[in-house]
Amino acid sequence: DAGVIQSPRHEVTEMGQEVTLRCKPISGHDYLFWYRQTMMRGLELLIYFNNNVPIDDSGMPEDRFSAKMPNASFSTLKIQPSEPRDSAVYFCASNWRSTGELFFGEGSRLTVL
Amino acid sequence: AQSVAQPEDQVNVAEGNPLTVKCTYSVSGNPYLFWYVQYPNRGLQFLLKYITGDNLVKGSYGFEAEFNKSQTSFHLKKPSALVSDSALYFCAVRGGPSDTNAGKSTFGDGTTLTVKP
Repeated sequence: DAGVIQSPRHEVTEMGQEVTLRCKPISGHDYLFWYRQTMMRGLELLIYFNNNVPIDDSGMPEDRFSAKMPNASFSTLKIQPSEPRDSAVYFCASNWRSTGELFFGEGSRLTVL
Repeated sequence: AQSVAQPEDQVNVAEGNPLTVKCTYSVSGNPYLFWYVQYPNRGLQFLLKYITGDNLVKGSYGFEAEFNKSQTSFHLKKPSALVSDSALYFCAVRGGPSDTNAGKSTFGDGTTLTVKP
């Protein structure tokens, strides 16, 4: 298996622009997580899905952030409009049972100017 | 609510010496505990986990961790450190199937391990 695939790996955009990050989880996994990593706040859970249904989105910073999982093999995290404070590395992770370890993608590094 | 504390931002050891990276946790119900490692510009990689059973868990690259229920700790250890072990290490706790946070993983702030030759 190719592992969790994220795109783009790097994104540089200007404040106010829409940003869409994409994730393809490992086939057969039924949990999908979006995390954000910054030096100041560490690794934050933004939202997670179970069987394509959002379970907990309490970590989503504000209404500018939205996430979808239209099917078991694809998820998006959208920021509209983007702000410089959104600059971070965004990780997607998946796994197939509630007690199992997470498999992380390589991350999407977002820079908002 | 579940939480994880890694009290040391940085741990420095000499190559060949034993290493310990500390982790304490708070969770309702049975803890599901994990250690992950992150190399620069990479995603987190799983090292080992405790679900149930023996308190001493062995994982990848010679790492092990000891679960201590009374002290609510899950310290990561290695008998002999290598320079290549230098990385960022995260402890995580996950809610069990019957927990209100079932499936949710909470991570500590991470500990930077530096192994010097």
